[in-house]
Parts: sequence; C-alpha cells; structure tokens
Amino acid sequence: GAGVSQSPSNKVTEKGKDVELRCDPISGHTALYWYRQSLGQGLEFLIYFQGNSAPDKSGLPSDRFSAERTGGSVSTLTIQRTQQEDSAVYLCASSLVPGFNEQYFGPGTRLTVT
Amino acid sequence: GEDVEQSLFLSVREGDSSVINCTYTDSSSTYLYWYKQEPGAGLQLLTYIFSNMDMKQDQRLTVLLNKKDKHLSLRIADTQTGDSAIYFCAERRGGGSQGNLIFGKGTKLSVKP
Repeated sequence: GAGVSQSPSNKVTEKGKDVELRCDPISGHTALYWYRQSLGQGLEFLIYFQGNSAPDKSGLPSDRFSAERTGGSVSTLTIQRTQQEDSAVYLCASSLVPGFNEQYFGPGTRLTVT
Repeated sequence: GEDVEQSLFLSVREGDSSVINCTYTDSSSTYLYWYKQEPGAGLQLLTYIFSNMDMKQDQRLTVLLNKKDKHLSLRIADTQTGDSAIYFCAERRGGGSQGNLIFGKGTKLSVKP
C-alpha cells in the first residue's frame, strides 16, 4: 500500500483482557514509531524501532505494554490486562530512516476499554 | 517546563489569517514541525523548519522561529473552511538520531464562513 496502515481501526475490549494492535509501515521504511493520543493529553511517544530492535522503550507507560517488530516490517503493540486509562487512539508512524524529517502516520486504532 | 505548549482553541473567519503559536522546550532541538489532523484522519505533516532558520514560507503557510524565546508560530493566510482541523506543534529534541517527536496538545482551529 501507499501509506501506513493500522488494524483494527476500532477496538472495544473489557477491562482485564489483552489486546494486540497492528501496524504495517510503508515498505522500505526502517524506522517505526508508536504514539498514543489520549483525550486532552496530546500525543505521547511510546516506543521506537530501528529494524527489528527497539533501542528506546522509555515511553511505554507500564510493563503491561510491549511491542515487537518482525522482518523489519509489521509491528504489533500488545497491551495486557487492559485498564480503562489505556483507552486512547494508538498511532503508528514510519520513516525512511531514523531521524528522517518526515514521519508518515497511520490512521490510528481507537481503543476503548469498558 | 518540559512540555511543548500551545493554546487549545483558535477561531477565525474565512479569508482572515490564522496564527497558531507554540513554545517548545529544548534549545538543542534540531527540527520543529507542524502537523495537521482532520477529524477521523491521521496526522499529516504540513511543514517543518530546521533550527538554523528564522522563517520558512510554503504557499499559504509561513513558519516563524524564535530560537531565543523557543517560540514557533504557524501563519495560514486566507484561511479556508477546509483548514479547520487540529494543528500540532512538535519538536525533535537534540541528542541521538532516533527522531521521535515530542508533541504539543494541539490547537483546534475553527473557521467560520
């Protein structure tokens, strides 16, 4: 595809369940970023991948959050034992190389924890 | 402070100029960005400015950077109803090459016909 895609676009889950959010970056982009957009909180950096490795996990809010990237392409963000405060839009972005000027954002996954 | 700050709302009339202001935090930030988010859509990069520049113009958009005050502004000339969106200021902080961005909370621009 031409852009970054994310799935699902919407996810409603019960508190305590695990969820997986998927990101397909633009083909050939080596850097991949996850951000979270909460109501009234702006965008918050979560984690960054260079290839398949994550040099910076400092933004992950708790150990319930993890992410992986395989084949230098698809990334999955997993939230275990979801809490209501996890409700947000999770955005993925990719760039050609780390630090490249333009990060291309996907449309996001809206997660609602009931 | 540690946050990128911008006012939350701006309302203008169609045809007027809009000015969205932002203060950032790290004087060593190398690039500063403006992103646009329309309802239900992802973030779209509008423009960016390198920290050694004072001004950048791109069609109806003018970015002004005051490094001394760590102040960034985005001016939209001849604002149209299609410009209604949330505008995010972001900085790429110095040190390291990973390039993650620090965003403000966004300014919601409403354009009245």
